[in-house]
Amino acid sequence: EAGVAQSPRYKIIEKRQSVAFWCNPISGHATLYWYQQILGQGPKLLIQFQNNGVVDDSQLPKDRFSAERLKGVDSTLKIQPAKLEDSAVYLCASSSYRDRGYEQYFGPGTRLTVT
Amino acid sequence: DAKTTQPTSMDCAEGRAANLPCNHSTISGNEYVYWYRQIHSQGPQYIIHGLKNNETNEMASLIITEDRKSSTLILPHATLRDTAVYYCIVKMAAAGNKLTFGGGTRVLVKP
Repeated sequence: EAGVAQSPRYKIIEKRQSVAFWCNPISGHATLYWYQQILGQGPKLLIQFQNNGVVDDSQLPKDRFSAERLKGVDSTLKIQPAKLEDSAVYLCASSSYRDRGYEQYFGPGTRLTVT
Repeated sequence: DAKTTQPTSMDCAEGRAANLPCNHSTISGNEYVYWYRQIHSQGPQYIIHGLKNNETNEMASLIITEDRKSSTLILPHATLRDTAVYYCIVKMAAAGNKLTFGGGTRVLVKP
């Protein structure tokens, strides 16, 4: 079974530029999550989708971050404009109600550096 | 979700058992204890979870105290590849419940 795919793996941009990340979850997983992980900290949830609907985006800085999950499969996370403090690893995860513990499966992440 | 407390770091010897403690004194009756780990430059990886009974799988064992206020993750024979940050998380085992990560325990397995 293929895991969660993310691209790109690394991205360097200047502040005020825009950037987009892509995630392809495990096939059949209805729930998709985007986390932000700042160096030295644990991941923090930004947004959660159930199929193509948003379940929780309470910690998403909506003035600059946006996310969508068209057709309930792939998802993109966008930052526009980027700030220095957005430098972090952006992790995508997915889960399925078929797994007893609803455990989340994470992709390798995209490391963003804003200069 | 209940808060958890873990030691910041610990070392263990290769081939020996690694015992990782976690305190969750405010856990409620319908909350489970989950463990994830994150190897350097990778995303977190699910290890195990439990409610009140001890659990074992191919990766680890989870021992939960009778009052459920603390638990221990046991890696029976630590290898160098087990070097990682280990996160103890308390949450309800239901679809859509987000993971709230703390700082975790940085485990270094030494040869």
